[in-house]
Amino acid sequence: GAVVSQHPSWVICKSGTSVKIECRSLDFQATTMFWYRQFPKQSLMLMATSNEGSKATYEQGVEKDKFLINHASLTLSTLTVTSAHPEDSSFYICSAQPTGGVWDTEAFFGQGTRLTVV
Amino acid sequence: KNQVEQSPQSLIILEGKNCTLQCNYTVSPFSNLRWYKQDTGRGPVSLTIMTFSENTKSNGRYTATLDADTKQSSLHITASQLSDSASYICVVSATGGFKTIFGAGTRLFVKA
Repeated sequence: GAVVSQHPSWVICKSGTSVKIECRSLDFQATTMFWYRQFPKQSLMLMATSNEGSKATYEQGVEKDKFLINHASLTLSTLTVTSAHPEDSSFYICSAQPTGGVWDTEAFFGQGTRLTVV
Repeated sequence: KNQVEQSPQSLIILEGKNCTLQCNYTVSPFSNLRWYKQDTGRGPVSLTIMTFSENTKSNGRYTATLDADTKQSSLHITASQLSDSASYICVVSATGGFKTIFGAGTRLFVKA
């Protein structure tokens, strides 16, 4: 099956600093990737849809200047949490939608990144 | 309004027993319904994906059903194992525009 890799798996940063999270599709190309945030015991909340070569589409209430998304290639999307604050501490998960092929309707998830801002 | 509702919110069963999780949705126009298993601190892993014409799909001890008329789906787990303890998430997608709605999930605890 398709593999999506996120890096890092966990990160601790100081308040006010920025953190970059990478999402890579290892064995397929993904024109579209999605970024989610998940708080404890809650379901995934879509933050933004990342499209290769164009600007990301953010969900209502998500600050695009705080959560910078770059989808520079068909296998890599990055999420940068800028000027992180403790309330940004969460589990961030990406998913990638294969471009065409038999998995056209399936999206595959990365393993997630646990961000703790202290 | 597009919604996905899952029940129960949580469930505790003994190892070896069967259980059934429910998912009701109002997403339209319907494209597909997926069940994911999410272990704590991990990303979701796909169990099944069902389109409009599919009524039943199995993946090992997991069997998903879909009734597109009543907009209901179920996930049946047979002979549960301790490793089945996880959150099970129902995800429904609408056609056109990648509109995908996540259910809140059912937290399953399998006890020895």
